[in-house]
Amino acid sequence: KAGVTQTPRYLIKTRGQQVTLSCSPISGHRSVSWYQQTPGQGLQFLFEYFSETQRNKGNFPGRFSGRQFSNSRSEMNVSTLELGDSALYLCASSGQTGGQKTQYFGPGTRLLVL
Amino acid sequence: AQSVTQPDIHITVSEGASLELRCNYSYGATPYLFWYVQSPGQGLQLLLKYFSGDTLVQGIKGFEAEFKRSQSSFNLRKPSVHWSDAAEYFCAVVFMDSNYQLIWGAGTKLIIKP
Repeated sequence: KAGVTQTPRYLIKTRGQQVTLSCSPISGHRSVSWYQQTPGQGLQFLFEYFSETQRNKGNFPGRFSGRQFSNSRSEMNVSTLELGDSALYLCASSGQTGGQKTQYFGPGTRLLVL
Repeated sequence: AQSVTQPDIHITVSEGASLELRCNYSYGATPYLFWYVQSPGQGLQLLLKYFSGDTLVQGIKGFEAEFKRSQSSFNLRKPSVHWSDAAEYFCAVVFMDSNYQLIWGAGTKLIIKP
């Protein structure tokens, strides 16, 4: 099975712009989670989608949004970019639900905001 | 609040030496436990997981981890490290009452001395 894929791998944007990142989960996986990783804050949970519905949300401002399509592919959008949004954005998919779900990660999208 | 602690930010070991990376979590019902590894510029790769049963878990790349309920710990071990093991290691925990979200440790960076 192909792994989790994320596009693009690298992005450079300027403050005030918006950005859309894409994630294709492992075939058959219906849960997709997004994380932001920075050197200072570590791994922070953004949100989780399951069957096109947002199931959980982390503590991020409304500028961060996401959606999931019927084929389980997911996108996340960040509007009005700030310098502090520079980070590695990781997507993870899972085939299970509940506590025993095992998340499999993509390579990430590295976003640089200038 | 529930938390996961990896007390060592960096660990340096010589190639061929044994390794133990520590992970402690805040008290609660038996959680689900994971170890992931992240090489520079990459996503996270699952090393091993514990849900129930035998408290000594074998993973990929020769790693193992032991769940000790009395110490709220899930330490990762490897008998002999290789230069390719240089990476950052993350412990993650699902607590039963956390809406099944992964709580992440801050990570331990492993440096291998030749």
